[in-house]
Amino acid sequence: GAGVSQSPSNKVTEKGKDVELRCDPISGHTALYWYRQSLGQGLEFLIYFQGNSAPDKSGLPSDRFSAERTGGSVSTLTIQRTQQEDSAVYLCASTRGGSLKGKLFFGSGTQLSVL
Amino acid sequence: QQQVKQSPQSLIVQKGGISIINCAYENTAFDYFPWYQQFPGKGPALLIAIRPDVSEKKEGRFTISFNKSAKQFSLHIMDSQPGDSATYFCAEGGSEKLVFGKGTKLTVNP
Repeated sequence: GAGVSQSPSNKVTEKGKDVELRCDPISGHTALYWYRQSLGQGLEFLIYFQGNSAPDKSGLPSDRFSAERTGGSVSTLTIQRTQQEDSAVYLCASTRGGSLKGKLFFGSGTQLSVL
Repeated sequence: QQQVKQSPQSLIVQKGGISIINCAYENTAFDYFPWYQQFPGKGPALLIAIRPDVSEKKEGRFTISFNKSAKQFSLHIMDSQPGDSATYFCAEGGSEKLVFGKGTKLTVNP
């Protein structure tokens, strides 16, 4: 596609429910990243994929968070038993190759609101 | 999680003025220092980047100054325009991931 696509753009859920956030990276980009943007907290790294493997998942806040990537393309970030503190914008980015010598292309994000 | 220390948190300048945003880093293993620009409702987009083997890089009205000994780098926006109003993030990176600062909200008044 022309850019990184994320869906849904907005998600409102009730505390305790599970949510799935989807990311479609730019075609041919092998590296994919998930970041979380909370008010006043900047961009917090969550997890990084190279192909279908996740060499670095150190940023996942708890075991309620998980992510997978299939076919070296689409990625899904799953949050189980959502809490109010999970409310944030979840951003996906992709880049060509496994190195950050290239630039990250971000999607517009999914705004998650947990009531 | 380690973050780059970015200041100020917000900045208001008049049209035509110079906007300056500063960042300090700790991890000397990183060798890539980009600045990203984010408009409301959009994801961040790469603005300009520098490597530690140079002290300055200029692209149009945007300049990065890099001080390796002080472990600091800054973004200068010359002749600031209302269209530059956005949130700016500095970051540091190695071979795998970028670590971002908390952002600076820039407002350029007409």
